[in-house]
Amino acid sequence: NAGVMQNPRHLVRRRGQEARLRCSPMKGHSHVYWYRQLPEEGLKFMVYLQKENIIDESGMPKERFSAEFPKEGPSILRIQQVVRGDSAAYFCASSYGGDGVETQYFGPGTRLLVL
Amino acid sequence: AQSVTQLDSQVPVFEEAPVELRCNYSSSVSVYLFWYVQYPNQGLQLLLKYLSGSTLVESINGFEAEFNKSQTSFHLRKPSVHISDTAEYFCAVSRGLSGYSTLTFGKGTMLLVSP
Repeated sequence: NAGVMQNPRHLVRRRGQEARLRCSPMKGHSHVYWYRQLPEEGLKFMVYLQKENIIDESGMPKERFSAEFPKEGPSILRIQQVVRGDSAAYFCASSYGGDGVETQYFGPGTRLLVL
Repeated sequence: AQSVTQLDSQVPVFEEAPVELRCNYSSSVSVYLFWYVQYPNQGLQLLLKYLSGSTLVESINGFEAEFNKSQTSFHLRKPSVHISDTAEYFCAVSRGLSGYSTLTFGKGTMLLVSP
């Protein structure tokens, strides 16, 4: 039973380029969450999605960041025109249901470095 | 809104010594509580969680945590640590009501176990 998959594990981009981070949830999970971990900080919620719907994007920066979870395929977190401050580890989590009681299972993360 | 405070950024201990990692939370509604562990360059793994019932919860590898509602705390303890317990530990809360809820994390505590 594969866990949450994220790729790439490491991503290097130059300022102004685009970064695409992919997340495949655990089998049977239809709820996906993205979190960002800045150096020496805890994880901060970014966005919560169900299939084809964004439920809560209150943690997403207003510009340059977008997320989707299409009917088929992985969830994508897209960062346009990256800046050095975007350098962080981005974690995806999935759960079977969306209630607070549901355990969120985390992927290994994508570590983005912006040069 | 919820918040989580982990008072210690680093806790150094010797192998086989007891350890306590502190976690306090703030919330206007009931919460569910979680401890996650993150080994270097890996994702977060659920260590234990409190949803309801007995206020003392245990993990399979000897950790335990006690929910104290009056002190709004959920401290993590282990009577005898191993070198392999060296990792970063994150306390998190989710809203304990129906409907979706995302995780709010503390900044993490780095447990450093030395021989």
